[in-house]
Amino acid sequence: DAGVIQSPRHEVTEMGQEVTLRCKPISGHNSLFWYRQTMMRGLELLIYFNNNVPIDDSGMPEDRFSAKMPNASFSTLKIQPSEPRDSAVYFCASRVEMDEQYFGPGTRLTVT
Amino acid sequence: SQQGEEDPQALSIQEGENATMNCSYKTSINNLQWYRQNSGRGLVHLILIRSNEREKHSGRLRVTLDTSKKSSSLLITASRAADTASYFCATKDTGRRALTFGSGTRLQVQP
Repeated sequence: DAGVIQSPRHEVTEMGQEVTLRCKPISGHNSLFWYRQTMMRGLELLIYFNNNVPIDDSGMPEDRFSAKMPNASFSTLKIQPSEPRDSAVYFCASRVEMDEQYFGPGTRLTVT
Repeated sequence: SQQGEEDPQALSIQEGENATMNCSYKTSINNLQWYRQNSGRGLVHLILIRSNEREKHSGRLRVTLDTSKKSSSLLITASRAADTASYFCATKDTGRRALTFGSGTRLQVQP
């Protein structure tokens, strides 16, 4: 397996633009997690899905953030409209229940 | 302190020395995990210790868990320059599916 795949790896956009981050979890994993990492706040859980259903989105900072998982092999995290303070590295991770999580390489987002 | 709080925040040692990092938490847990992150990369799982285990080994890694003190330690023996990274502990809290990550320990191993 190629591991958790995220795209794009880097994204630079202007304030106000829509940003869509994509994630393909490891096949057979039934839980998927979106994290954000910054120097100031560290690693924050944004939302996670179990069997494609959002379980806890309490970490989503604002209504500008939304996430979907239309099927077991794909998830998106959308920011609309984006702001400079959204600049961070966004990680996707997947796992089988109760086991260790496997992280993707991350998407480095810069909003100017 | 926050759940899954690591100590120290930063550690610098010489190659060949042992590195010890500590993690404290507040809630009841199912397991505790340690992850490593190289600069600019995703986190990589190192080791998982369950709440009914006290010690676990994996290669040069040794993890202990003291549930009475709500603390864990990660020992890296005979460190190498390639061990330079940030190390995070994460707790799988009872009744919660998601992990709670600490703020990490930055380890620098000088060659």
